[in-house]
Amino acid sequence: QVQLVQSGAEVKKPGASVKVSCKASGYTFTSYGISWVRQAPGQGLEWMGWISAYNGNTNYAQKLQGRVTMTTDTSTSTAYMELRSLRSDDTAVYYCAREAHGGQSYDYWGQGTLVTVSS
Amino acid sequence: EIVLTQSPATLSLSPGERATLSCRASQSVSSYLAWYQQKPGQAPRLLIYDASNRATGIPARFSGSGSGTDFTLTISSLEPEDFAVYYCQQRSNWPETFGPGTKVDIK
Repeated sequence: QVQLVQSGAEVKKPGASVKVSCKASGYTFTSYGISWVRQAPGQGLEWMGWISAYNGNTNYAQKLQGRVTMTTDTSTSTAYMELRSLRSDDTAVYYCAREAHGGQSYDYWGQGTLVTVSS
Repeated sequence: EIVLTQSPATLSLSPGERATLSCRASQSVSSYLAWYQQKPGQAPRLLIYDASNRATGIPARFSGSGSGTDFTLTISSLEPEDFAVYYCQQRSNWPETFGPGTKVDIK
């Protein structure tokens, strides 16, 4: 069965960086894109960006350009999201999500990784 | 950027009642609209894709309709496990966006 398993919770200080992993199993990793979506406490869902697991092409949300990098390691079927220069308003649960066939929705999600930014 | 507006913000209903949730886009997204359900402490779950297609394993009481700018998610008869927050999402135009959500709670 398809699974996306994310790395554990992180606590970071303002200005630091965080790298969250998302290990995929149960399907051919390079056949589907992965997006990252975050959710601040008590808030809605915010799309952060997308990466093709086939060729590594990326597309980032404009507000995060320059601070976020998404990568994949096809040898381990793992996607990564690194966010730099962390601020308190980056405190959120970060999800990876697999594109469904047709590419217009996300059919499988990771369990989420809580990143807390606090001095 | 396409803005998705969901209404109402909160819907208070009893089990067995019909729920009708609305999602309106600021410009046409054709039929490229998805609906997700999220319960506290859980990841979102895909319910409906391409406006009206149920995702795998989703019960028939969930249905979606609409095209262009106006979309509806209907839950024909609420089960206890359906009380949750529902989000619409579009990937028709960059950047993709989510609506603010509709909370369906128990009356």
